[in-house]
Amino acid sequence: EAGVAQSPRYKIIEKRQSVAFWCNPISGHATLYWYQQILGQGPKLLIQFQNNGVVDDSQLPKDRFSAERLKGVDSTLKIQPAKLEDSAVYLCASSSSGAADTQYFGPGTRLTVL
Amino acid sequence: AQSVTQLDSQVPVFEEAPVELRCNYSSSVSVYLFWYVQYPNQGLQLLLKYLSGSTLVKGINGFEAEFNKSQTSFHLRKPSVHISDTAEYFCAVRGLSGSARQLTFGSGTQLTVLP
Repeated sequence: EAGVAQSPRYKIIEKRQSVAFWCNPISGHATLYWYQQILGQGPKLLIQFQNNGVVDDSQLPKDRFSAERLKGVDSTLKIQPAKLEDSAVYLCASSSSGAADTQYFGPGTRLTVL
Repeated sequence: AQSVTQLDSQVPVFEEAPVELRCNYSSSVSVYLFWYVQYPNQGLQLLLKYLSGSTLVKGINGFEAEFNKSQTSFHLRKPSVHISDTAEYFCAVRGLSGSARQLTFGSGTQLTVLP
């Protein structure tokens, strides 16, 4: 079974530029998550999708971050414009459904904002 | 709101010695509890989870954890560690209802196994 795929793995941009990350979840997983992991901290949920609908985006900085999951499969997370404090690893995860289901994580995209 | 506290940010231990990584949580609702491991430049991998039933949970790679409801703890243990266990370990909690249903992580414990 293929895991969660993410690209790119690394990205370096200057502040005020825009950037986009892509995620392809495990086949058949209805729920998709985006997390932000700042160095030295645990992952923090940014947004959760159930199929192509948003379940929770309470911690997404909506003035600069946006995400979509068209057709309920892969997803894109965008930052525009980026700030220095956005430097982090962005992790995508997926699960079948339900609070008890295991979340499977991708390898992440390491973003550096200069 | 719920939170997770991992009491030790770094734990060095010699190879073949036992180890315990401590985790305490707080939540106003019933919870599920998880331990994840993260190797360098990789995503998180589930070690084990507690949903209900027996408070002693066994996971992969010889790890186990014990849920203690009265002390709101979920400590991770391994009787004999290997060099390959060197990694960052995250404890996480997920509530069963309302806004607590999102997975909340602790800040992590870096386990370093020394030869």
